[in-house]
Amino acid sequence: AQSVTQLGSHVSVSEGALVLLRCNYSSSVPPYLFWYVQYPNQGLQLLLKYTSAATLVKGINGFEAEFKKSETSFHLTKPSAHMSDAAEYFCAVSVPGTASKLTFGTGTRLQVTL
Amino acid sequence: KAGVTQTPRYLIKTRGQQVTLSCSPISGHRSVSWYQQTPGQGLQFLFEYFSETQRNKGNFPGRFSGRQFSNSRSEMNVSTLELGDSALYLCASSLAPTESNQPQHFGDGTRLSIL
Repeated sequence: AQSVTQLGSHVSVSEGALVLLRCNYSSSVPPYLFWYVQYPNQGLQLLLKYTSAATLVKGINGFEAEFKKSETSFHLTKPSAHMSDAAEYFCAVSVPGTASKLTFGTGTRLQVTL
Repeated sequence: KAGVTQTPRYLIKTRGQQVTLSCSPISGHRSVSWYQQTPGQGLQFLFEYFSETQRNKGNFPGRFSGRQFSNSRSEMNVSTLELGDSALYLCASSLAPTESNQPQHFGDGTRLSIL
């Protein structure tokens, strides 16, 4: 079975600072990895996905993530935080054959301060 | 292109009742998955439907059931509601589930409150 661990349930950064949200995965087969963002009272919006192509994945809103097999990590970064980035972020994993069954991490709430 | 539509957005029920939630996927999407989101348990997979057949099921009791229609629309039903069923229920659709790296697109959810 696969699993995801998100380190830090709350992260606070200043506007303009680097955003780093951590995600480590466990999977017995090569996984698909995703980052989703959730704004209050809304569903999940896909930020980016890794599906065994390039290990550095660029997503929407200036976010990117790097798949590191040796570290079983898929950390999400953004060079400069914006107030509108304040939301909850979820890392998720699935595997071929059950690609529509996502296993989510517990989420990281990002706060952006002035 | 319209997104995933879930109805109703909010629902209040009492213990012991049953409820049906509806999900209309993005046009052309044939796979529909359901998730439960609670503060305590986070996001948990309920089940997935493709071509009117349940392909995967999460670890939920039999009170939770679903179905998919020929137009890919899906419903989930929860019977004998318990207080712990209070949650945001999210529906997601994708083109197809098998061997697919197609991402799932989520609706805004139905918030179910049990009194």
